[in-house]
Amino acid sequence: GEDVEQSLFLSVREGDSSVINCTYTDSSSTYLYWYKQEPGAGLQLLTYIFSNMDMKQDQRLTVLLNKKDKHLSLRIADTQTGDSAIYFCAEDNNAGNMLTFGGGTRLMVKP
Amino acid sequence: DGGITQSPKYLFRKEGQNVTLSCEQNLNHDAMYWYRQDPGQGLRLIYYSQIVNDFQKGDIAEGYSVSREKKESFPLTVTSAQKNPTAFYLCASSPLGLAGGRAYEQYFGPGTRLTVT
Repeated sequence: GEDVEQSLFLSVREGDSSVINCTYTDSSSTYLYWYKQEPGAGLQLLTYIFSNMDMKQDQRLTVLLNKKDKHLSLRIADTQTGDSAIYFCAEDNNAGNMLTFGGGTRLMVKP
Repeated sequence: DGGITQSPKYLFRKEGQNVTLSCEQNLNHDAMYWYRQDPGQGLRLIYYSQIVNDFQKGDIAEGYSVSREKKESFPLTVTSAQKNPTAFYLCASSPLGLAGGRAYEQYFGPGTRLTVT
């Protein structure tokens, strides 16, 4: 079955880079996703990467995908206090119509 | 403005009562989803619907029911049979229904926090 795992917590200082890691098991996923959840709110799609790509950059966000190791990471450059949130990685199924979410990583940014 | 609305934001009920959570979208999306989120945990899928008048059970459907009479609306009823209903409930929608071939983007509502005492 599908399983997506993330570490629970990450703390960084403002201005540093943050790297949030995720491992997944379903090698048939077409896309992998990163979502952000601010306190008491819904999830916001940040970015996604096609499974045949190694890297995708979008302003301060860099997604790295190691398909061999089934490892996905999200790097946030110049982390700001507004980046404090829970970050979820997700994979889709081979039909492309369902998502499996990881447990989320809580990012705390210290001033 | 297009989007997904969930109401109310906070809901309180006594144990033994059924309660219905609202989810409406004006994005013209085919697919809609209900998730449950418990503190410090990820999202678990309750029910989903890819087309009007059709819906499927997710991983934790016991104690819940849904309907999809209109494309825009996907209400969730938390019944008295749900043993531990206190949680944060999130509704989502996606432009993908039975079609595929593109990135699968789910758009989320703001959530309803249900407390049952």
